[in-house]
Amino acid sequence: GDSVTQMEGPVTLSEEACLTINCTYTATGYPSLFWYVQYPGEGLQLLLKATKADDKGSNKGFEATYRKETTSFHLEKGSVQVSDSAVYFCAPFSGGYNKLIFGAGTRLAVHP
Amino acid sequence: EAEVAQSPRYKITEKSQAVAFWCDPISGHATLYWYRQILGQGPELLVQFQDESVVDDSQLPKDRFSAERLKGVDSTLKIQPAELGDSAMYLCASSFNWGGNTGELFFGEGSRLTVL
Repeated sequence: GDSVTQMEGPVTLSEEACLTINCTYTATGYPSLFWYVQYPGEGLQLLLKATKADDKGSNKGFEATYRKETTSFHLEKGSVQVSDSAVYFCAPFSGGYNKLIFGAGTRLAVHP
Repeated sequence: EAEVAQSPRYKITEKSQAVAFWCDPISGHATLYWYRQILGQGPELLVQFQDESVVDDSQLPKDRFSAERLKGVDSTLKIQPAELGDSAMYLCASSFNWGGNTGELFFGEGSRLTVL
């Protein structure tokens, strides 16, 4: 069945450091790809998405590119802030199952 | 800004008791989802509604869990009897379907269940 593998956390960075959170997936066909973020004490919210190969999703300084050849959707940010501390979930949308498949999540902690 | 409302935010119960969670999706959203998120894991879909109809409940433990969305608006998820392993965050989400499900979901803040 469809699945997603995320980089294990926690990831601990200093403010202004570069961030990469790896995500790879297995899916039927070519799913839309999403990153959701969960800030402390809040529900999940959509961070960015890409719907086809080579698309780049971006929001709040975060970017991720849909790589069909490597079935990956790595999340990147050039300079993280303390306010980026949260749990990040990679989630392909499985057309075969008509639902999002969430990864285990990667906790990011950014220190001043 | 429209939000998905959930209640209660926190629930502590003893095993074998009944518990219920309520969700009110964003107005006009036809699709409603209940997810379970065990600590340290990603959300797992329990049930998906399209209007008042269940379209996916393949991961819902039907011997103890039930869900309904009678008028195609708000929804209730019930557990009876609760077991220790049910301790988790129960997340409700909704989406506006237009030409099919796109994966863009709006989540509530969740209901955290602790079973003692």
